[in-house]
Amino acid sequence: GDSVTQMEGPVTLSEEAFLTINCTYTATGYPSLFWYVQYPGEGLQLLLKATKADDKGSNKGFEATYRKETTSFHLEKGSVQVSDSAVYFCALSLSGNTPLVFGKGTRLSVIA
Amino acid sequence: SQTIHQWPATLVQPVGSPLSLECTVEGTSNPNLYWYRQAAGRGLQLLFYSVGIGQISSEVPQNLSASRPQDRQFILSSKKLLLSDSGFYLCAWRGTGGNTIYFGEGSWLTVV
Repeated sequence: GDSVTQMEGPVTLSEEAFLTINCTYTATGYPSLFWYVQYPGEGLQLLLKATKADDKGSNKGFEATYRKETTSFHLEKGSVQVSDSAVYFCALSLSGNTPLVFGKGTRLSVIA
Repeated sequence: SQTIHQWPATLVQPVGSPLSLECTVEGTSNPNLYWYRQAAGRGLQLLFYSVGIGQISSEVPQNLSASRPQDRQFILSSKKLLLSDSGFYLCAWRGTGGNTIYFGEGSWLTVV
């Protein structure tokens, strides 16, 4: 079945460090790909998305490129801040009414 | 613009008591609706989803149930709560034909 695998956390970085959170997927069709972020005690917010191969989603300094050849959608940020501390979820969506498939989430802690 | 609200935000319930969490969406028609649960330190678990009034798909058999009495209302219920029902419950919606889902603020349930 369709699935999303993302690197296990927790990830701890110093402020201004470079961030990469790996995400790979398995899907029977051509999914749209998403990154959601969950700040402590809150619901999930859409961070960025890409709907077709080679698309790059970006928001708040975060980027991810839809790589069909490697079935990946890695999240990157050049310089993290303490305020980026959160749990990040990678997800895929196929067409129709099928629910999104989420990865297990990666907790990021950024220390000053 | 579309908004989603769920309530209550926090509740503490004794084992064996009933549960009712409510979710409403505004600004859209015939959305797909979802209930997810997030246990402490764990990923997202899809519990139920609905593509229309009275149409409920259950992903995980357990002592919870869901109902959709109106187009933009989704209710999560239980007749008798278990300790293992504790967690963070998230309602979400997706527009017909859309590929992005949007989450509510979440409801913290502690069963004691």
